[in-house]
Amino acid sequence: EVQLVESGGGLVQPGGSLRLSCAGSGFSFSRYWMDWVRQAPGKGLEWVSRINSDGSSTSYADSVKGRFTISRDNAKNTLYVQMNSLRVEDTAVYYCARGYCSSTNCYAGLLDYWGQGTLVTVSS
Amino acid sequence: DIVMTQSPDSLAVSLGERATINCKSSQSVFYSSNDKNYLAWYQQKPGQPPTLLIYWASTRESGVPDRFSGSGSGTDFTLTISSLQPEDVAVYYCQQYYSTPPYTFGQGTKLEIK
Repeated sequence: EVQLVESGGGLVQPGGSLRLSCAGSGFSFSRYWMDWVRQAPGKGLEWVSRINSDGSSTSYADSVKGRFTISRDNAKNTLYVQMNSLRVEDTAVYYCARGYCSSTNCYAGLLDYWGQGTLVTVSS
Repeated sequence: DIVMTQSPDSLAVSLGERATINCKSSQSVFYSSNDKNYLAWYQQKPGQPPTLLIYWASTRESGVPDRFSGSGSGTDFTLTISSLQPEDVAVYYCQQYYSTPPYTFGQGTKLEIK
């Protein structure tokens, strides 16, 4: 069974930092591209960042570019996002999600499994 | 960036009736090279993460009931629930995964029972 479990959320002051983790199990983690998607309280979904299977290629939403860094450790089956210079508007539930792969191709941005999410609250 | 616009924002439908949600993209998400529309639909039930319902605009994810169907091409897409069930109460999002990021979502459509 595919499982994604996020951790590391919490309360942080504006300007602070936080690192989120996402542990994957039940699938060959190193084969799949992985994404972070966030959802502010009562709001819709916002794509945040993506990393390819070996970690050599990353992309970010403009809203987090230069402040967030996505990374992965395939030996530990774990995805990360380092969040610096946090703002009140970064308050959200952060989901990690797996990119879809068919038997022959993987497709960035199409997300077939999602974790339960971890809440990040940025407030003074 | 590609902007995704859903309509309506909310919808109330009687049990057993048809529900229809529309999604429009600001540019085409169709790749002629592989004849695919890079458009997905997700369902998010209260207090839960989203789940993938449909991809390539019309392919149902494994385990999704056949009352859910997707249609459309280019810039205009539709999610249809043929006979609404109580467990279908949720917010539905369309998303494009065409080309380079960002992979934008629609604003969501809240589906309720009338």
